[in-house]
Amino acid sequence: KNEVEQSPQNLTAQEGEFITINCSYSVGISALHWLQQHPGGGIVSLFMLSSGKKKHGRLIATINIQEKHSSLHITASHPRDSAVYICAVREGPDKLIFGTGTRLQVFP
Amino acid sequence: KAGVTQTPRYLIKTRGQQVTLSCSPISGHRSVSWYQQTPGQGLQFLFEYFSETQRNKGNFPGRFSGRQFSNSRSEMNVSTLELGDSALYLCASSFDRSKNIQYFGAGTRLSVL
Repeated sequence: KNEVEQSPQNLTAQEGEFITINCSYSVGISALHWLQQHPGGGIVSLFMLSSGKKKHGRLIATINIQEKHSSLHITASHPRDSAVYICAVREGPDKLIFGTGTRLQVFP
Repeated sequence: KAGVTQTPRYLIKTRGQQVTLSCSPISGHRSVSWYQQTPGQGLQFLFEYFSETQRNKGNFPGRFSGRQFSNSRSEMNVSTLELGDSALYLCASSFDRSKNIQYFGAGTRLSVL
């Protein structure tokens, strides 16, 4: 069993839809990251969370430490949001364990 | 401020050769981590350097090594290349260990023939 599980693996949406990507983990962590990877490989860090909720533009990330679960929400989705979204947990000072990613496609 | 720079972007090698990849972190960042991404295994942690010392290492064979220089630039080396080493190698930097977001470079895509 992977230490970090994401669901769904693939997600298709129409422009404007509200999107939720889930991440569950089984190890003790000091922080959780949400990353975005576009075709070609470039990775952008979206959020780093250790508790509660963070919002940046149309993106919202939440974490429940007791339940070992985090969600990434995208409001009013747009085709430019199409990417792979990766959840990663920080175990130890700087070791990240990654989920397998959620491939999101948003159609106009 | 310039981002994380990885060179080269693409590399083709043959089995048995060795390769050196370079990563220049964001100015002022002292921590550099390396990751391998393959279609089968996804993203995996290779190692982390801070203040020229390897602080943490993932589950990779000794053929994978690295170092960090006094200006925080880092190199990773893979010796005796195998076909399975074909991957995207990503470097990420952060100001300090554990408390900061990591900023990723564009990666080096290595193909081993």
